Amino acid sequence: DSGVTQTPKHLITATGQRVTLRCSPRSGDLSVYWYQQSLDQGLQFLIQYYNGEERAKGNILERFSAQQFPDLHSELNLSSLELGDSALYFCASSVAQFTEAFFGQGTRLTVV
Amino acid sequence: AQTVTQSQPEMSVQEAETVTLSCTYDTSENNYYLFWYKQPPSRQMILVIRQEAYKQQNATENRFSVNFQKAAKSFSLKISDSQLGDTAMYFCAFMKLSNSNSGYALNFGKGTSLLVTP
Repeated sequence: DSGVTQTPKHLITATGQRVTLRCSPRSGDLSVYWYQQSLDQGLQFLIQYYNGEERAKGNILERFSAQQFPDLHSELNLSSLELGDSALYFCASSVAQFTEAFFGQGTRLTVV
Repeated sequence: AQTVTQSQPEMSVQEAETVTLSCTYDTSENNYYLFWYKQPPSRQMILVIRQEAYKQQNATENRFSVNFQKAAKSFSLKISDSQLGDTAMYFCAFMKLSNSNSGYALNFGKGTSLLVTP
């Protein structure tokens, strides 16, 4: 158990819908990262927050947004969902920005 | 942009044997970290080992060790005394260390699927 908690573990939704994925980092970790893992794109970095502030953006679509709250948990919002958004979404956290990240178990999103 | 290449999509090794997974990367940066992560069938991403680029000594973690060749931009993972529980997808990852406020994302390779057989 990495100490990073992601909910839900599985999510099935229809095209055009909006979902929210939640992440609770390890106790004491200030940095949160979101990654998307799909068969065709592999593991792709989406976005990073550090102590509530956005620090880096990767290949995140405009339909996707995220935030980190004062209690340091983070949410990834995916809207206007398309079939191609089906993937495993990972949250990871680290105590500082340049230390190793520990991953949650992921949320499997299936868009039908 | 940094690219990470894992040229072996699949590998197989017998229990108790040694196997080496390859990883090369392309970067113009001088300060960075390299990682190996393991993803077993449970999907959990597990950190295996970390190497700081400024360190000449190769990192080791129990049965796992790396061969870091900075000039060649090579970062291979050696697994000794392979165990059935080592069966997993292994990902090599690169993290640029920047002085700017640009974040510290991991840049992953496509992965190598390792099967340990009895």
